[in-house]
Amino acid sequence: DAKTTQPTSMDCAEGRAANLPCNHSTISGNEYVYWYRQIHSQGPQYIIHGLKNNETNEMASLIITEDRKSSTLILPHATLRDTAVYYCIVRPRGNFNKFYFGSGTKLNVKP
Amino acid sequence: SAVISQKPSRDICQRGTSLTIQCQVDSQVTMMFWYRQQPGQSLTLIATANQGSEATYESGFVIDKFPISRPNLTFSTLTVSNMSPEDSSIYLCSVVTSGVANTGELFFGEGSRLTVL
Repeated sequence: DAKTTQPTSMDCAEGRAANLPCNHSTISGNEYVYWYRQIHSQGPQYIIHGLKNNETNEMASLIITEDRKSSTLILPHATLRDTAVYYCIVRPRGNFNKFYFGSGTKLNVKP
Repeated sequence: SAVISQKPSRDICQRGTSLTIQCQVDSQVTMMFWYRQQPGQSLTLIATANQGSEATYESGFVIDKFPISRPNLTFSTLTVSNMSPEDSSIYLCSVVTSGVANTGELFFGEGSRLTVL
């Protein structure tokens, strides 16, 4: 399975866009990129996922590079409640056993 | 979506004892998983809970230490056996719901925080 690499932590000012990078240089053609976040003391929460096209939902946007070796999660207007650990996960299509979490990025949104 | 209830939400246990954690889902689910999150760490997949058959364990986890049951499509239990302080963790139940198999979105319970003295 493809491994992901994320920065350990990032800071973002409240109201600004938060751009969280993820490197998955060994990703294969049938693997999706998923993003989850975990707010302190809660279970992880699904944010968004994609295969090769950019995706947007009410929470965030996912930008995947053309070679699919990296992606960026964008929170357009970060709030204090977005402070959390964000996990980028690569998962083979149809293989639900393979949700392996890396170390994630701790996003600190500051007033 | 799915609403997942775990019991207990937290517990303090003595070394050498065992504790069973329950996971109840409000709808039928395709797959159920158990994760462990040690203090300050990321999530580690323990096993896939298979309905009516033995769970599928990840490397480093064994049935004798973490027996799992899944008698039906909405319920599973994880037992942490012969506990030691190293077992102090948050244990999380997660599911993939029927009907979203193609997206594979995982839903998580709030976890069971276990402290072993």
